[in-house]
Amino acid sequence: DTGVSQDPRHKITKRGQNVTFRCDPISEHNRLYWYRQTLGQGPEFLTYFQNEAQLEKSRLLSDRFSAERPKGSFSTLEIQRTEQGDSAMYLCASSSRGDAYGYTFGSGTRLTVV
Amino acid sequence: GQNIDQPTEMTATEGAIVQINCTYQTSGFNGLFWYQQHAGEAPTFLSYNVLDGLEEKGRFSSFLSRSKGYSYLLLKELQMKDSASYLCAVRALTNAGKSTFGDGTTLTVKP
Repeated sequence: DTGVSQDPRHKITKRGQNVTFRCDPISEHNRLYWYRQTLGQGPEFLTYFQNEAQLEKSRLLSDRFSAERPKGSFSTLEIQRTEQGDSAMYLCASSSRGDAYGYTFGSGTRLTVV
Repeated sequence: GQNIDQPTEMTATEGAIVQINCTYQTSGFNGLFWYQQHAGEAPTFLSYNVLDGLEEKGRFSSFLSRSKGYSYLLLKELQMKDSASYLCAVRALTNAGKSTFGDGTTLTVKP
């Protein structure tokens, strides 16, 4: 297993455009998380899936953000009508039920909205 | 909710020992994690504490006191490659595994 993969690594988009990111978790991990991180801050929780069910979504997340995890495998995070404040590193992480080992993070997608 | 505090920056000398503190407030506690994050990279898991006491793993140790809402990460025999941000994260009793992260402590190791 190659770990958690995220695509793309970098994305530059114009304000108002829609963007979609993909995350492929470790295959045997049933839990998948999306976090957002800006410079000098810790990762901020966005949403959580257990298998294909989205069990929690941050109240900080506006309706412009949506995430899916069809069939409990890969996940996508879409941001509609991007704003400059959306510029950040978007991190995907996965974990198993025996999560004394914490999260395994992907390398992240760095979004820049111009 | 949860509130996590850790120092913003620390500096230490190669070969020395450094202790990075983390205090937290949570409505329900179900584990504390430490992660290492090098600049421009994703966080990587270092340690996990759910019971009081010290967990040792090579040059790194982590301590937890649940009654005090306090943890520390101890790094021994510092190496230049240990220069990184160290993130404290707390998992609440609810929320099925979701962790809340502090803003991290940037450690600079000098020769």
